Amino acid sequence: QVQLQESGPGLVKPSETLSLTCSVSGGPINSHYWNWIRQAPGKGLEWIGCVYFSGSTNYIPSLKNRLTISVDTSKNQISLKLKSVTAADTAVYYCARGDYYFTYWGQGIPVTVSS
Amino acid sequence: DIQMTQSPSFVSASVGDRVTIACRASQGISRWLAWYQQKPGKAPRLLIYAASNLQSGVPSRFSGSGSGTDFTLTISSLQPDDFATYFCQQANSFPFTFGPGTKVDIK
Repeated sequence: QVQLQESGPGLVKPSETLSLTCSVSGGPINSHYWNWIRQAPGKGLEWIGCVYFSGSTNYIPSLKNRLTISVDTSKNQISLKLKSVTAADTAVYYCARGDYYFTYWGQGIPVTVSS
Repeated sequence: DIQMTQSPSFVSASVGDRVTIACRASQGISRWLAWYQQKPGKAPRLLIYAASNLQSGVPSRFSGSGSGTDFTLTISSLQPDDFATYFCQQANSFPFTFGPGTKVDIK
């Protein structure tokens, strides 16, 4: 069974960089797209970007200048880096596997942006 | 970007009720639509993909229909485990977008 597990700091200061990792087990990482989706408190779901195992990426335009998603096939990990964060980036961040539809999800990691 | 809307935003229903949730896309997306169920504090769960295909392990009381811009999720007989929030998602083009959600609550 494919399992995804997000990890990283739960608290980030404004203007700093948020770095998260998604560790994949139970299945190959060198296939499918790997996505990051976030959910602000009490809000809906927002797809923010994805990476293919080859390294090609797609990002939501509103974050394109601040966001980097990458894959490390040797470690079976996907990473997210979001620069210059503000309070608006406070959310639960999920990684999810899927080329079009998200079949496997991590449990999510809550991230708060605050000084 | 393709905008997704859902109606209603809130449904109050009883066990055994038939529940229908609508999802509309701002432009045609063929059948590139999925439905997810989310319970508080949990990750979403894929229920339906490609508008009407039931994801493995999902009970048959869930069904989806529609194409183009208008889609529907139906729960034929609501069960206690179904009280949750439901989201639609378009997969026609990047950036993928979700509807705002429909909360199904106990009457």
